[in-house]
Amino acid sequence: GESVGLHLPTLSVQEGDNSIINCAYSNSASDYFIWYKQESGKGPQFIIDIRSNMDKRQGQRVTVLLNKTVKHLSLQIAATQPGDSAVYFCAENIGGSNYKLTFGKGTLLTVNP
Amino acid sequence: DSGVTQTPKHLITATGQRVTLRCSPRSGDLSVYWYQQSLDQGLQFLIQYYNGEERAKGNILERFSAQQFPDLHSELNLSSLELGDSALYFCASARRTGPDTEAFFGQGTRLTVV
Repeated sequence: GESVGLHLPTLSVQEGDNSIINCAYSNSASDYFIWYKQESGKGPQFIIDIRSNMDKRQGQRVTVLLNKTVKHLSLQIAATQPGDSAVYFCAENIGGSNYKLTFGKGTLLTVNP
Repeated sequence: DSGVTQTPKHLITATGQRVTLRCSPRSGDLSVYWYQQSLDQGLQFLIQYYNGEERAKGNILERFSAQQFPDLHSELNLSSLELGDSALYFCASARRTGPDTEAFFGQGTRLTVV
């Protein structure tokens, strides 16, 4: 079946460094992608999204890049802070009127002070 | 706080039993989504309701069912529980249904089947 996967299950960075979390997706029909952050004991929290007609989208300290040619998505976090420590999921939606997201397995980001 | 309320937060029950998980969406949100999060499967979409009607089904077992009531709260019913049903169950809500609609997740119900 279709799947969304992550290259790195864990990522450890120093406070102040930039973080890059990668994600591969397999369904070329996916037209909407979202990054979620999940802290321990909490539900996923929306970070940033991107539609398939875009290559890049920037938010506050975060940037999502989409490479449709190789079906790759990345999340860049600038000046990573201890509060950024969490599991990060990418999710894809395959068109239509429903928000039936397919989530990747997640990457654990640890920020060392 | 996302504004989505799930109860109970924790639930421990025995195999073969039936439980009901409850979700109150954010005020004004018509769409409710249920997800299951387990260690080996990650976050899996189960089912979606929009304004009381079922809209989409994912990997939901026949032993599981859900409904959305006129006041828009939703319940997920899990029956004939098995050990493998132990997981976090999340509810999310959104203003409408559509691929660009941001969904807000509740804090989840942790179900432990013993």
